[in-house]
Amino acid sequence: AQSVAQPEDQVNVAEGNPLTVKCTYSVSGNPYLFWYVQYPNRGLQFLLKYITGDNLVKGSYGFEAEFNKSQTSFHLKKPSALVSDSALYFCAVRVESGNTPLVFGKGTRLSVIA
Amino acid sequence: NAGVTQTPKFQVLKTGQSMTLQCAQDMNHNSMYWYRQDPGMGLRLIYYSASEGTTDKGEVPNGYNVSRLNKREFSLRLESAAPSQTSVYFCASSSNRQGIVTQYFGPGTRLTVL
Repeated sequence: AQSVAQPEDQVNVAEGNPLTVKCTYSVSGNPYLFWYVQYPNRGLQFLLKYITGDNLVKGSYGFEAEFNKSQTSFHLKKPSALVSDSALYFCAVRVESGNTPLVFGKGTRLSVIA
Repeated sequence: NAGVTQTPKFQVLKTGQSMTLQCAQDMNHNSMYWYRQDPGMGLRLIYYSASEGTTDKGEVPNGYNVSRLNKREFSLRLESAAPSQTSVYFCASSSNRQGIVTQYFGPGTRLTVL
């Protein structure tokens, strides 16, 4: 079975500082990994994904994530946080083979303080 | 392209009432999904349709039914609403093409069952 863990319910960071939102996963087989962002009263927006290839994936709004197979992690990062980055972030996983739906983590609320 | 659209945006029901949530996508995607979002629970899959004519149960299917009306439309029905079904419901769609696996989400339906 596939699963995703986001160990932090809340992350607080000062504007201009680097941010990290953590994600670990468990799948049988090769994973496809995703990050989504949700702003208040909105649907989920796709940020970035890892399918194969380079372990460092760059996405929208200056975000990037690093796939680490040995640690089964896919942490989301940004070098310099903005107040507008404050939102709810979801990590998701599915196996490479077949056509299975994404399995989501419980989400991490990011607050960037001016 | 409107992407994924959902109707209604908001709904209040009394216990025992029935209703259908509508979802449509204009991206020619094969797969469609219904999730519910509850605080601290992340997104949980209710039902999905891998392709037109097929539907499968997800993690929390009890109390719901679905219909894949055609390739564009995937509806979710609550036959006898219960307060435990108070939630935000999201529809999503994705392509089945090799390597194209990103799910795109609608804006959500906020349902309250009294």
